[in-house]
Amino acid sequence: DTAVSQTPKYLVTQMGNDKSIKCEQNLGHDTMYWYKQDSKKFLKIMFSYNNKELIINETVPNRFSPKSPDKAHLNLHINSLELGDSAVYFCASSPYLTGQTQYFGPGTRLLVL
Amino acid sequence: AQTVTQSQPEMSVQEAETVTLSCTYDTSESDYYLFWYKQPPSRQMILVIRQEAYKQQNATENRFSVNFQKAAKSFSLKISDSQLGDAAMYFCAYRSGGYTGTASKLTFGTGTRLQVTL
Repeated sequence: DTAVSQTPKYLVTQMGNDKSIKCEQNLGHDTMYWYKQDSKKFLKIMFSYNNKELIINETVPNRFSPKSPDKAHLNLHINSLELGDSAVYFCASSPYLTGQTQYFGPGTRLLVL
Repeated sequence: AQTVTQSQPEMSVQEAETVTLSCTYDTSESDYYLFWYKQPPSRQMILVIRQEAYKQQNATENRFSVNFQKAAKSFSLKISDSQLGDAAMYFCAYRSGGYTGTASKLTFGTGTRLQVTL
C-alpha cells in the first residue's frame, strides 16, 4: 500500500551513461514533482507535471527529461550522466488544489563514477 | 523569489526535554503555506506539520507545535518530550498560495540536524 514509490532506490553508474528513474503514486493525486537533494542536503525543485502537462521546469540541464505517461506516473531520464549529477532524487505528489501537502517517495540515490 | 532560512545547522536536545528549531522566510505574498518535514537516516521525507498563513492559530500535532509569527516572517517548530526517534534532519518549506503551476513548488531551507541524547 505504498503511497509514492520510486525505482530503483540506488543507482551506481559510469559517467556518460543514460539512466532512468521511475515514480508511481497510488494516492489519486494529479500533480507530481521531481526534487534533487545535493550532497549538502539542499532540496530543490526540478520539474512538476499536472495531469501529464509540464507546469514547472526549473533551470535544469536539458540532459534531464521528465516524462509522464499518465497522472500516476512520472519518470526522469538523464542522458550523458556527469559527476555532478550524483545526488538523491525525490519524487513527490499532491492534489493540484492550492496549499495541499506534498507526499514524497523514498528517494533514489544516484552515484556517478 | 521566496527564500527560506534555517540558521541552526545542528541542534541537540536531551530525551524528554523540549527543543525549538528556527525558520524565517522572505516573501511579498500574503497567502502561502508553511511546512516542516523530517528526514531521518532512512532518507524518507515525512511531513511533521503544516500551517496556513491565513490562520492565526498555531498548528499542533501531538508533541509538535509551531510558533507562527506572520509579521516577523518566522515559523519555528517546537518538539516537546523529545524522543530518540525524533533524531533527524528537519526542513522548513514554503509554498505559495497561488493557483498557477509554478506556485505549487516547495522552497526548502537548508535544514537543521537534530540530535537526541540520553
